[in-house]
Amino acid sequence: SQTIHQWPATLVQPVGSPLSLECTVEGTSNPNLYWYRQAAGRGLQLLFYSVGIGQISSEVPQNLSASRPQDRQFILSSKKLLLSDSGFYLCAWSLEGGELFFGEGSRLTVL
Amino acid sequence: GDSVTQMEGPVTLSEEAFLTINCTYTATGYPSLFWYVQYPGEGLQLLLKATKADDKGSNKGFEATYRKETTSFHLEKGSVQVSDSAVYFCALSPRGGYQKVTFGTGTKLQVIP
Repeated sequence: SQTIHQWPATLVQPVGSPLSLECTVEGTSNPNLYWYRQAAGRGLQLLFYSVGIGQISSEVPQNLSASRPQDRQFILSSKKLLLSDSGFYLCAWSLEGGELFFGEGSRLTVL
Repeated sequence: GDSVTQMEGPVTLSEEAFLTINCTYTATGYPSLFWYVQYPGEGLQLLLKATKADDKGSNKGFEATYRKETTSFHLEKGSVQVSDSAVYFCALSPRGGYQKVTFGTGTKLQVIP
């Protein structure tokens, strides 16, 4: 069966520090991969999606970047965090059919 | 572009009450429709889905019917439990190729004993 893992689960970082959140999918090949952000009490904002290795599309211009170095690995990064980067980050994958499978989420607090 | 509108929350119900969370959508063609649930501190889980008009998705006592004529996909449950307390998201996905899923803003449900 397919599984998705993302880490770390919780992260507290100072403003201006770098960020790396990782996500891996097991049990499937060539999935579409996504990074979403959920601000406190708000809905989901799609940040990046990827349909293949090295193929990244950005939905919202911002302080973040994403990379897909392997078929089932998706990384969210920042060189210098801002206070506004705080939130709950969710990785997800899908195949045909549109159904998304989400990871457990990573809560980032920027101080 | 595609959009999903769902009722504002929070919704507070007593245990065993009837639940309805409204969801309407705007999309070209015939999208697939979904309800996801998010329990506190967790990621989202698929609750149910429907892929064509008049389909009824159901799971864990929850139901939603794909109504093309009213572009709606309302979530219902006949008798809610405290364990149903969560945030519920309505979503749609266009057919074929890369699917950019569009989510509603979420409705928080609190069930009190």
